[in-house]
Amino acid sequence: DGGITQSPKYLFRKEGQNVTLSCEQNLNHDAMYWYRQDPGQGLRLIYYSQIVNDFQKGDIAEGYSVSREKKESFPLTVTSAQKNPTAFYLCASSPGQVPYEQYFGPGTRLTVT
Amino acid sequence: EDKVVQSPLSLVVHEGDTVTLNCSYEVTNFRSLLWYKQEKKAPTFLFMLTSSGIEKKSGRLSSILDKKELSSILNITATQTGDSAIYLCAATTGANSKLTFGKGITLSVRP
Repeated sequence: DGGITQSPKYLFRKEGQNVTLSCEQNLNHDAMYWYRQDPGQGLRLIYYSQIVNDFQKGDIAEGYSVSREKKESFPLTVTSAQKNPTAFYLCASSPGQVPYEQYFGPGTRLTVT
Repeated sequence: EDKVVQSPLSLVVHEGDTVTLNCSYEVTNFRSLLWYKQEKKAPTFLFMLTSSGIEKKSGRLSSILDKKELSSILNITATQTGDSAIYLCAATTGANSKLTFGKGITLSVRP
């Protein structure tokens, strides 16, 4: 079955700790994206990558880092520098540059206390 | 700065009603407008509208893009409780297919 997987579904961390969220896709998509969703805020773009070994900052990249060493994987690290890390994080992928729709993973809910 | 605005932000209707959800956009290098439905977790794709496809329909759902007014509507006829969800509108901009999302419209359909 083709799709996007994110793990874990729920994640709890103490303030000051870095945490890495996993995103894997087997759709052979070139582009991958990370979004953050807060209540009443819609989805905001954190980072995106169009090809392996290349990525760009989105609208709210501060306090986050990513890597794209393999086409199918795009992990997101939430660092201790992120002031309000508690949120729902969604990963997405799309085939490439032509306006294709983005397909979303099931999300990871991160709670930092 | 690219901007997508949806209205109303929330809506409560009764089963069988028809609803119209609005989306307006101000973005550079507009390429397409997308509608998603989000019921608890991952948004699921509904429609994509472009210059070459400004009207789409699937069952009770339909959507129109008005490029002159920089807006789109999503219509749902004969609503059902299963239509209760957050409806997200997003505009694709530039060569990188970056999506700019609106805040979403929370639709509640009462039995």
